[in-house]
Amino acid sequence: DQQVKQNSPSLSVQEGRISILNCDYTNSMFDYFLWYKKYPAEGPTFLISISSIKDKNEDGRFTVFLNKSAKHLSLHIVPSQPGDSAVYFCAAIGGGADGLTFGKGTHLIIQP
Amino acid sequence: GAVVSQHPSWVICKSGTSVKIECRSLDFQATTMFWYRQFPKQSLMLMATSNEGSKATYEQGVEKDKFLINHASLTLSTLTVTSAHPEDSSFYICSAKSKKGGYQPQHFGDGTRLSIL
Repeated sequence: DQQVKQNSPSLSVQEGRISILNCDYTNSMFDYFLWYKKYPAEGPTFLISISSIKDKNEDGRFTVFLNKSAKHLSLHIVPSQPGDSAVYFCAAIGGGADGLTFGKGTHLIIQP
Repeated sequence: GAVVSQHPSWVICKSGTSVKIECRSLDFQATTMFWYRQFPKQSLMLMATSNEGSKATYEQGVEKDKFLINHASLTLSTLTVTSAHPEDSSFYICSAKSKKGGYQPQHFGDGTRLSIL
């Protein structure tokens, strides 16, 4: 069963607008969440993270929101730029485990 | 920033061959390295966790005799796919975490595309 779900395989956003990528999880033991960005033929690159004790973390154009009661997090990118076009993976960790549990990814396409 | 190097990036070999993949942390010491596998249109799935100087911990369903992991130093872990078969064809990717305490983001290599003929 998929413990981390990214239900949108792809998302198209116009340049300059806000991109919102969503992620849901089912395991209540997860207490740390990360977003990774991946270009073709490259490994995932860490983008931003959030601990379960927070509900928001901001870094430049990127903001991650966490709603623990809904087991939902989202990544906001504003303003979206062409270089943001990539696959974005949501990942979670917790319960004493060290390895990451990933979603299937969302392919973000920024249109000029 | 932190860099993880993975080699080779692409391997094509005959069925029955053993293949070794290297994962190196270039500018930090990694007490823990992870190996993931990704099949087409699927998420990255953790295969095993490798701690320096000790035996790797394998996830359920991953054959430890098939996927040999060695983590002999703080900067190098290797994954050997023994007697590879076509069903082992996949994208293998490693990540490394620094010695710092608490949750630290894992830094990923660029992955190895393994194709078994």
